[in-house]
Amino acid sequence: TQLLEQSPQFLSIQEGENLTVYCNSSSVFSSLQWYRQEPGEGPVLLVTVVTGGEVKKLKRLTFQFGDARKDSSLHITAAQPGDTGLYLCAGIVFVGANNLFFGTGTRLTVIP
Amino acid sequence: DTGVSQDPRHKITKRGQNVTFRCDPISEHNRLYWYRQTLGQGPEFLTYFQNEAQLEKSRLLSDRFSAERPKGSFSTLEIQRTEQGDSAMYLCASSLFRNNEQFFGPGTRLTVL
Repeated sequence: TQLLEQSPQFLSIQEGENLTVYCNSSSVFSSLQWYRQEPGEGPVLLVTVVTGGEVKKLKRLTFQFGDARKDSSLHITAAQPGDTGLYLCAGIVFVGANNLFFGTGTRLTVIP
Repeated sequence: DTGVSQDPRHKITKRGQNVTFRCDPISEHNRLYWYRQTLGQGPEFLTYFQNEAQLEKSRLLSDRFSAERPKGSFSTLEIQRTEQGDSAMYLCASSLFRNNEQFFGPGTRLTVL
């Protein structure tokens, strides 16, 4: 059972399009992280959001933490083929918690 | 390279055999985690160490699984009497004490025939 549900599960778009990936839970998290994972590799941390309502930008990627700290979104502007990969959100239940609860993942394919 | 390394990268075994995986964390990291990831799913927590002490184990970690971190540096994960359901990617991660930023290794992909 995974605490975090991501949608969509699969997404295939053309280069240059915008997209948004959602991460939802009924649980409150002290912080939430987004990772990207490529085939045959481990996840790589993109960002950590901590405060409800927080927005962080990483070049063409915009991350938002919901006001109630139960959900998050990742928006990619002008997607590029290099953005292709599995995007995972992961929540930390409380400060100092020992493990991450990962979402179900969104597999993104950007077609040149 | 000072990242997390795992060995082997791939392991194919027959049902009933024992397998052991190794993880070398980033050298100054106190915490070490093991996760399991099945196809199409996000990683699921298995266990974690703070230095050499194993402080938490998931209910996913059946008694066929054992993990050690004898000197607080590298860790091993052993699966005894493997079953087909054990086929998965086994990921190791490490982090600094009280820092939740976990750095993941490339994983060991286990296939049980």
